[in-house]
Amino acid sequence: ETGVTQTPRHLVMGMTNKKSLKCEQHLGHNAMYWYKQSAKKPLELMFVYSLEERVENNSVPSRFSPECPNSSHLFLHLHTLQPEDSALYLCASSQDKYTGELFFGEGSRLTVL
Amino acid sequence: QKEVEQDPGPLSVPEGAIVSLNCTYSNSAFQYFMWYRQYSRKGPELLMYTYSSGNKEDGRFTAQVDKSSKYISLFIRDSQPSDSATYLCAFGRRALTFGSGTRLQVQP
Repeated sequence: ETGVTQTPRHLVMGMTNKKSLKCEQHLGHNAMYWYKQSAKKPLELMFVYSLEERVENNSVPSRFSPECPNSSHLFLHLHTLQPEDSALYLCASSQDKYTGELFFGEGSRLTVL
Repeated sequence: QKEVEQDPGPLSVPEGAIVSLNCTYSNSAFQYFMWYRQYSRKGPELLMYTYSSGNKEDGRFTAQVDKSSKYISLFIRDSQPSDSATYLCAFGRRALTFGSGTRLQVQP
């Protein structure tokens, strides 16, 4: 596989569930990102990882918990979410942190009931 | 004041038209200026990337940056139905700051 792959593509969960989103990049990049995309709103940066170290946490509620076990994989663990957390969650990677050109996955569409 | 302003559209044009997409920004610390294209049910992909004021051309696409007015534009010549997508402006200093996107529809 090439590029950035996200699974699952669609997820429906109740407010008391625990689920995880997975991202894998096959580009040899050193930085990975989670963004949230809601209708008619700008992409919101959630987390930045560089060489497996979290370098930015953009005031995200603790019900979102990222994990970066190595430079190719990124997870977003979800628990006790709210309906307003329903959105498209996009993973991206770049050669190094803050270098500008991001390569995005196709996103995971999350619906919280 | 929002850091980035972008008209959400939708903008509907006939095939072959020249399209102009615009963003204004307020943060003069931004160092690079980008346009991403996002097709329905896909992630954004980088279209144009520039550091400086002036024009940058790539095929049918021209990116224009005016730092003094804090204004960037993307022009699409001879627009095609395959150009129908949402166009996101993005600005860089550390992590990218995105506009909310303009939805473009090119009618055959």
